[in-house]
Amino acid sequence: DVKVTQSSRYLVKRTGEKVFLECVQDMDHENMFWYRQDPGLGLRLIYFSYDVKMKEKGDIPEGYSVSREKKERFSLILESASTNQTSMYLCASSPPGSGGALNTQYFGPGTRLTVL
Amino acid sequence: ILNVEQSPQSLHVQEGDSTNFTCSFPSSNFYALHWYRWETAKSPEALFVMTLNGDEKKKGRISATLNTKEGYSYLYIKGSQPEDSATYLCGNAGNMLTFGGGTRLMVKP
Repeated sequence: DVKVTQSSRYLVKRTGEKVFLECVQDMDHENMFWYRQDPGLGLRLIYFSYDVKMKEKGDIPEGYSVSREKKERFSLILESASTNQTSMYLCASSPPGSGGALNTQYFGPGTRLTVL
Repeated sequence: ILNVEQSPQSLHVQEGDSTNFTCSFPSSNFYALHWYRWETAKSPEALFVMTLNGDEKKKGRISATLNTKEGYSYLYIKGSQPEDSATYLCGNAGNMLTFGGGTRLMVKP
């Protein structure tokens, strides 16, 4: 079974702090994704990566950056956290091809981030 | 504004009822349609990935249909059970996978 793990289930940070959210997958997937989920808005794509050191902006990249130094690990970075970044963050991975369009995405359990 | 719309936003049904909900997407930008089930405190899990107009897929009591020409998909649950309570997400894979807001289903015993 594919396993996608995220470093924390719950995280509380203060405005202006630098925040790292880590995601690790164990199925050698090329594609990895970061989403945020807010009530009524579904999952919105922040960034995705289709290979090591490669990244593409999603729908809402502002205020975020990412890092993919190893195939299994994809990090989301909030350079200076703000209260409007309080949200549930989900990581996902999928096999290669079409930016994940055709292939099932496998999700982690999510990190609920609160920025005070 | 989401270009993938799901309705209703939430739904309460009694155990044993059959139910269905809708995912609408722009037919001009379609590559694949994904359905996921997201139970509270768990990870979203894939139900179906559909690509062909007229396609119908089934997994146990859950089935889905796809109309790519008019841009909609229906998800059906036959004889709902309390364990079906979850948020059901659909995603349209055009340039990237874009999700709707989800339908939250609550099945009362």
